[in-house]
Amino acid sequence: EAQVTQNPRYLITVTGKKLTVTCSQNMNHEYMSWYRQDPGLGLRQIYYSMNVEVTDKGDVPEGYKVSRKEKRNFPLILESPSPNQTSLYFCASSSGLEKLFFGSGTQLSVL
Amino acid sequence: GEDVEQSLFLSVREGDSSVINCTYTDSSSTYLYWYKQEPGAGLQLLTYIFSNMDMKQDQRLTVLLNKKDKHLSLRIADTQTGDSAIYFCAERNPQRSASKIIFGSGTRLSIRP
Repeated sequence: EAQVTQNPRYLITVTGKKLTVTCSQNMNHEYMSWYRQDPGLGLRQIYYSMNVEVTDKGDVPEGYKVSRKEKRNFPLILESPSPNQTSLYFCASSSGLEKLFFGSGTQLSVL
Repeated sequence: GEDVEQSLFLSVREGDSSVINCTYTDSSSTYLYWYKQEPGAGLQLLTYIFSNMDMKQDQRLTVLLNKKDKHLSLRIADTQTGDSAIYFCAERNPQRSASKIIFGSGTRLSIRP
């Protein structure tokens, strides 16, 4: 089944403790992206990748890192999480941007 | 920067039509999308329309595009309880950016019995 898999679904952590949210897709898509969803603000793009070893900043990249060592994986790294990074995070992938495939989301709470 | 705006909430009676509206600022937007987000799930593409089209119909869904006013709407006929979700309008202009889709804030559709 074609899908984008994110893990974990829920994560509670404390300020400053490094964490990684994984994202994997099985559709051989070149394009992958991370978004955060906050009430009233919709989806805001954090980082995106057009292909392996090619990543770029979206609208709200501060406090986040990504890597794209393999085509299928695009992990999101928070080196030192802060409470303002409490949010619902979505990974998405696409072959041509006409249609984005989204993961089920990761609800992150930073205390 | 470019923007997409939607109202946050819409409540309709079961069986009525729902109309969700969206405005956007980029007059050169090429692709306009409607995504649906059900509770606890990611977004799924419902439908999209090219900027050279005025209307697109797909079963109970009708998308209308007014390019002059930069206004997009999604009409859901015979609204059912399963249509309860958040609906996101989005736009893309490949000439502005090859990699970016701009999303609105989402409209939460609730269905009254």
